[in-house]
Amino acid sequence: QSVLTQPPSASGTPGQRVTISCSGSSSNIGIKGVNWYHQLPGTAPKLLIYNNNQRPSGVPDRFSGSKSGTSASLAISGLRSEDEADYYCAAWDDSLSGMLFGGGTKLTVL
Amino acid sequence: EVRLVESGGGLVQPGGSLRLSCAVSGFTFSDYYIDWVRRAPGKGLEWVGRSRNKARGYSTDYAASVKGRFTVSRDGSRNSLYLQMNSLKIEDSAMYYCARTDVRIFKDFDYWGQGTLVTVS
Repeated sequence: QSVLTQPPSASGTPGQRVTISCSGSSSNIGIKGVNWYHQLPGTAPKLLIYNNNQRPSGVPDRFSGSKSGTSASLAISGLRSEDEADYYCAAWDDSLSGMLFGGGTKLTVL
Repeated sequence: EVRLVESGGGLVQPGGSLRLSCAVSGFTFSDYYIDWVRRAPGKGLEWVGRSRNKARGYSTDYAASVKGRFTVSRDGSRNSLYLQMNSLKIEDSAMYYCARTDVRIFKDFDYWGQGTLVTVS
């Protein structure tokens, strides 16, 4: 059972905006930066957002991240079929001295 | 070009041991944290363990599920990170990835290897 809580699934149609939430606690998201990754079938995960809202070079600005208190969210605008993947949030937990991943959200583009 | 390449996966019986390797290139190995992350079939990503950089004394941390059984180590002369896995359990079966962290800008897992598959059966 993940300590970071994500919805198991999300969906949208091409061009829509979808958001994925990630809920944590005061020992992780509350005091540490949140990262977001997606993983396409058969490939390695890829970093989308780091330190709450920073985009690595090469990641489209359709992807954005935000954090408030002990929760974070990933927004994807202008949804495209190639965005269909598993999405994960992650944050370091000071109490556990370990990195936590959310359980993952499967995004379906209808 | 930054590269991380895992190797050493395979089929092992419960209770057995396996050592995974992660060969890196394209960056200064000693400046970065390197972690191991796994994904079991039908499950999500799970962090396994971390080796910090030279500035942090190459200290390590482990997930509770593997602590005492797995050990992360480095060989700077080979630019390689290792994961020694002992007392393997069926639930350790997964694709294992190594990933780089640039702690200076809080950028966790900015580059990943392609993974190596471990099957405990």
